[in-house]
Amino acid sequence: QQQVKQSPQSLIVQKGGISIINCAYENTAFDYFPWYQQFPGKGPALLIAIRPDVSEKKEGRFTISFNKSAKQFSLHIMDSQPGDSATYFCAASILTSYDKVIFGPGTSLSVIP
Amino acid sequence: DGGITQSPKYLFRKEGQNVTLSCEQNLNHDAMYWYRQDPGQGLRLIYYSQIVNDFQKGDIAEGYSVSREKKESFPLTVTSAQKNPTAFYLCATQSRGSGELFFGEGSRLTVL
Repeated sequence: QQQVKQSPQSLIVQKGGISIINCAYENTAFDYFPWYQQFPGKGPALLIAIRPDVSEKKEGRFTISFNKSAKQFSLHIMDSQPGDSATYFCAASILTSYDKVIFGPGTSLSVIP
Repeated sequence: DGGITQSPKYLFRKEGQNVTLSCEQNLNHDAMYWYRQDPGQGLRLIYYSQIVNDFQKGDIAEGYSVSREKKESFPLTVTSAQKNPTAFYLCATQSRGSGELFFGEGSRLTVL
């Protein structure tokens, strides 16, 4: 119930291509779905987040697609750049609670020139 | 300069020694968290605190201890009971209702 599944584990994309990372959750009480980006040796940082009342959110080259009925959400990185090479974590939580934030296992993205 | 300060950045420990990792924040956030990250793996929750003088165990609390005597500070002690302590430790904070976690730069602990 508390798990967040994430795939793929690793991803190699050519510069200019589209990177797609998928996540799935089970607990329908979750109401906040962020994506974090982590560079080697650094702490993760919030990239983009979505609430379940919308099906898509776009910020620059980054888009979250959200399918409430399927309990799935995905991150799309358009025009992927070498600087996007990082580990990406999806997560799920309940906004009214300080309880655990549930993270997916992460996806290592490499964008090659 | 607002943010989260973790120290030390690198720490070496001999087996059988306790070590304490510091986490200080000036964001005025109520909640603070400690995560452990192993190479190529995700984030595992060790402890979290929603308010001063209160904290809850996460998924992997065994061998660790924390305290929350001040809102700004949430130190983590890695005790000798932790069998495999070599890892990257991340402290995070969250303000009520925002959902966003703010992470520090991390502390890398190596047991020799």
